[in-house]
Amino acid sequence: TQLLEQSPQFLSIQEGENLTVYCNSSSVFSSLQWYRQEPGEGPVLLVTVVTGGEVKKLKRLTFQFGDARKDSSLHITAAQPGDTGLYLCAGARGTYKYIFGTGTRLKVLA
Amino acid sequence: SQTIHQWPATLVQPVGSPLSLECTVEGTSNPNLYWYRQAAGRGLQLLFYSVGIGQISSEVPQNLSASRPQDRQFILSSKKLLLSDSGFYLCAWGFSGGREQYFGPGTRLTVT
Repeated sequence: TQLLEQSPQFLSIQEGENLTVYCNSSSVFSSLQWYRQEPGEGPVLLVTVVTGGEVKKLKRLTFQFGDARKDSSLHITAAQPGDTGLYLCAGARGTYKYIFGTGTRLKVLA
Repeated sequence: SQTIHQWPATLVQPVGSPLSLECTVEGTSNPNLYWYRQAAGRGLQLLFYSVGIGQISSEVPQNLSASRPQDRQFILSSKKLLLSDSGFYLCAWGFSGGREQYFGPGTRLTVT
């Protein structure tokens, strides 16, 4: 059973555009993480959010955890070709169990 | 600093053959260890996790098993592979009590 739904599933945009990726669930998570994955490689951790309503910024990337800790969003400002990749959210259920989202494949065209 | 290794990087095996994938972590002690499987371009499915030597928790009943013979070594095995076992297998580690996970480079398994 997939507990974390990401939208959109695919996104192709021009360099310089802004975009938002959503990660939604009906379950509460103790924390939530965002990863970016390149083809044929392991995911790389971008950020961890813990508190409901928390906002974190990583250069042009802004991450927000929903007030109820059931959803999250990733906003990219002025996207660049280097942002291309598969973006994954992962919610923590308890201490050790992580549920991964369905993934959003982003392509930024130069 | 910490480093995670996985091998082999790529593996092609016939149906019914055994499997052994290995993962090792350097630069830390008593890490949490995880095995995931990823379908093409999709999210990850947690298979096993371990919080210590000999302690394995299975998340999905299937044709696979895991073992942790040493503190920083995690092995994924199968006695007889199925076609449905094909996929991208990822090992990850995390600090004991920590929230983050750090992934290895993965093993691409194709069962023919």
